Amino acid sequence: QVQLVQSGAEVKKPGSSVKVSCKASGGTFSNYAINWVRQAPGQGLEWMGGTIPTVGTANYAQKFQGRVTVTADESTGTAYMELSSLRSEDTAVYYCSRVGEQYYFDFWGQGTLVTVSS
Amino acid sequence: EIVLTQSPATLSLSLGERATLSCRASQSVNNYLAWYQQKPGQAPRLVIYDASNRAAGIPARFSGSGSGTDFTLTISSLEPEDFAVYYCQQRRNWPPGFTFGPGTKVDIK
Repeated sequence: QVQLVQSGAEVKKPGSSVKVSCKASGGTFSNYAINWVRQAPGQGLEWMGGTIPTVGTANYAQKFQGRVTVTADESTGTAYMELSSLRSEDTAVYYCSRVGEQYYFDFWGQGTLVTVSS
Repeated sequence: EIVLTQSPATLSLSLGERATLSCRASQSVNNYLAWYQQKPGQAPRLVIYDASNRAAGIPARFSGSGSGTDFTLTISSLEPEDFAVYYCQQRRNWPPGFTFGPGTKVDIK
């Protein structure tokens, strides 16, 4: 059974950066894409971007182009999402998720709350 | 960019009633559409993929239909654990990306 465990909650100042990790266990990490989805308080789901570890490519939502970087360390089975130039509107729960065999998000991390506040 | 709209925003129903949720795409996504269920404080859970296939462990009371631009999620008889927010999501243009709809909240009447 695939399990994704994310790093803990963060509080950041406006203008700073945050890096959230997502450690995978079970399955073969190199075979699947880890994507990142965020959810602002009381709002819906928003896809940010994702990577395919073995190919080394990353795709990003246009809204986050230039501000988000997703990476993966195959040796440790860990994916990372870094978001820069943080503003208050970036306050949200950030989820990592695996794109499974049907090309949808079949396993999810528990979520990481990032709060941006001065 | 493919935009998904969902209706209604909120659906108030009683236990045992039938729930019908709609998702419309701004252009054809073929059958590359999924439905997710999210309960408060929890991560989303895949319910339906490729428009009509139930994900692993999903009860038979959940069914999906549609293709092209119009899709429906049906819950035949609501159980207490079904009250949640449901999101549709398309993958037609992945890569590069995915799109979620704004969600439909199914709450208890």
